[in-house]
Amino acid sequence: AQSVTQLGSHVSVSEGALVLLRCNYSSSVPPYLFWYVQYPNQGLQLLLKYTSAATLVKGINGFEAEFKKSETSFHLTKPSAHMSDAAEYFCAVSGPNFGNEKLTFGTGTRLTIIP
Amino acid sequence: GAVVSQHPSRVICKSGTSVKIECRSLDFQATTMFWYRQFPKKSLMLMATSNEGSKATYEQGVEKDKFLINHASLTLSTLTVTSAHPEDSSFYICSAASTGAGYTFGSGTRLTVV
Repeated sequence: AQSVTQLGSHVSVSEGALVLLRCNYSSSVPPYLFWYVQYPNQGLQLLLKYTSAATLVKGINGFEAEFKKSETSFHLTKPSAHMSDAAEYFCAVSGPNFGNEKLTFGTGTRLTIIP
Repeated sequence: GAVVSQHPSRVICKSGTSVKIECRSLDFQATTMFWYRQFPKKSLMLMATSNEGSKATYEQGVEKDKFLINHASLTLSTLTVTSAHPEDSSFYICSAASTGAGYTFGSGTRLTVV
């Protein structure tokens, strides 16, 4: 069984400040990990994914995440927040057969950017 | 990149009627399609998983007779909400997946049953 926990349902940061969204996972098999962003009334857009290659993964819009097996974490960061980053962010996990098995989502973190 | 088209984006229907939502993978063949439901300010809840030509696998608690899923081809899956009631009002999202390539999500359908 796999699960992800997102710490903090709401995160607020000032424009230009560091963004840190936390995700911890639990998996009995090597995990594949994903971060998605959702804008209001829209579907999910992939920010980045970890598929057992490099542990530091760079994604779109300046986001990156680091897979830390020892901490079972996959936190999402961005050095400098922009107003357009305000959205809902979801961490998700699948097993190595990704594409054929379901994604399990965290409960989401709503990111607010303070001007 | 991979694109999934989902429509309609928004639909309002009367209680007791049925609504069909389509999900198409435009530039790739999807071995698996997933249907999710999202309640306001909540995460995505997986409803069912479907493979082309096979019956969908429904998650526990999801009524398969109410939420009919058809996956007729490698590029098209449909979700039909039968005899819709106000409690079925929600945001429905599909995801098309291919082996090793990951998951691509549709833009979602806002269903309002009045």
